[in-house]
Amino acid sequence: GQQLNQSPQSMFIQEGEDVSMNCTSSSIFNTWLWYKQDPGEGPVLLIALYKAGELTSNGRLTAQFGITRKDSFLNISASIPSDVGIYFCAGSGTSYGKLTFGQGTILTVHP
Amino acid sequence: GAGVSQSPSNKVTEKGKDVELRCDPISGHTALYWYRQSLGQGLEFLIYFQGNSAPDKSGLPSDRFSAERTGGSVSTLTIQRTQQEDSAVYLCASSLPLGGQRGSGANVLTFGAGSRLTVL
Repeated sequence: GQQLNQSPQSMFIQEGEDVSMNCTSSSIFNTWLWYKQDPGEGPVLLIALYKAGELTSNGRLTAQFGITRKDSFLNISASIPSDVGIYFCAGSGTSYGKLTFGQGTILTVHP
Repeated sequence: GAGVSQSPSNKVTEKGKDVELRCDPISGHTALYWYRQSLGQGLEFLIYFQGNSAPDKSGLPSDRFSAERTGGSVSTLTIQRTQQEDSAVYLCASSLPLGGQRGSGANVLTFGAGSRLTVL
């Protein structure tokens, strides 16, 4: 089946620093999504990507859909304490929304 | 409703008992999904419902797991004869009808807060 490899597993950074995380897939995806999960909550969508090569921003967040359709990255600029949480990439290679999720990146931001 | 609603938020049960978890999707979302999140892990697909089509049950880990969706809205995930390894957060998500258009939101899932199941 489809597998996603997300890295890094965790990051400890200082407030104000930039962050980058990425996902690679063993197969082609048609959609890449990035979610953030706070403790005790379900994942919340940050950015959705639908086209190979697409680069999309949402405030301090920027994500790209890799040209090969097998990878994606998420950048967070000028991190703040509320960026703390678990970030998941997710991809869909089928005609419906069955998403395959990465293992998650735990982000800790020190004030 | 305004969001995906799940109940109970927490459930503690004894090994061997049956449990039912409920999901109330966003109004108008015809697609509904169940995922499982074990401690420190990513999300594991369990089952998918789309309208009146036969559900995709390919992710259910054993025949102790079943789910139904009544009237195209509320869904119930049932775990029979629970085992300790069933302990996890069970997440429900819903999405817009599949329009076949990129960017239509068809692949964008909105998640509930989850039901945390602890099997003693």
